[in-house]
Amino acid sequence: DQQVKQNSPSLSVQEGRISILNCDYTNSMFDYFLWYKKYPAEGPTFLISISSIKDKNEDGRFTVFLNKSAKHLSLHIVPSQPGDSAVYFCAASALYLGTYKYIFGTGTRLKVLA
Amino acid sequence: DVKVTQSSRYLVKRTGEKVFLECVQDMDHENMFWYRQDPGLGLRLIYFSYDVKMKEKGDIPEGYSVSREKKERFSLILESASTNQTSMYLCASTPGGPYEQYFGPGTRLTVT
Repeated sequence: DQQVKQNSPSLSVQEGRISILNCDYTNSMFDYFLWYKKYPAEGPTFLISISSIKDKNEDGRFTVFLNKSAKHLSLHIVPSQPGDSAVYFCAASALYLGTYKYIFGTGTRLKVLA
Repeated sequence: DVKVTQSSRYLVKRTGEKVFLECVQDMDHENMFWYRQDPGLGLRLIYFSYDVKMKEKGDIPEGYSVSREKKERFSLILESASTNQTSMYLCASTPGGPYEQYFGPGTRLTVT
């Protein structure tokens, strides 16, 4: 059972426009959500996160929105740049056996066209 | 600067071989994790450790074991490699809490 879902395997966006990546989850016990970016042959790097008690967090060109009632979060990148082309994973964490466990989505490949 | 290193970037092994993947972090982090990444499946948790000598199974532990004898080092062991264990293996660490994980560069393992 996939607790964290990214239903769009890929997305293409023109340079300068907004990229919106979506993520849905099923477990209401998740209390922290994170987005990672991954280039080929490299490990994921942390991008931005949001606590379950907030509905928005912004960092430069990146904004994450959380809708708890819909169990949905989204990552907005404005403006999109060619260097943003990568695979983006959303992840959710929950307390498990006294520590935190992370569940990842399947990823969305973003291609920003120059 | 935070650093997680993995012993090999690329590895080719034969079916039935015992394989060791090593991960070292220099941040004094409590928690360490092993994932595998496969196309269309995202990152799946194999094992994690929240303290020295402590380990917990993740979502797909079958065919794997782990060892954490020192805080900075977390090893993934494939007791008898099989072709379905061909994958990208990623190690990560966190200091504790629900916060971001720091990932190593990954090991691309091919089992033939």
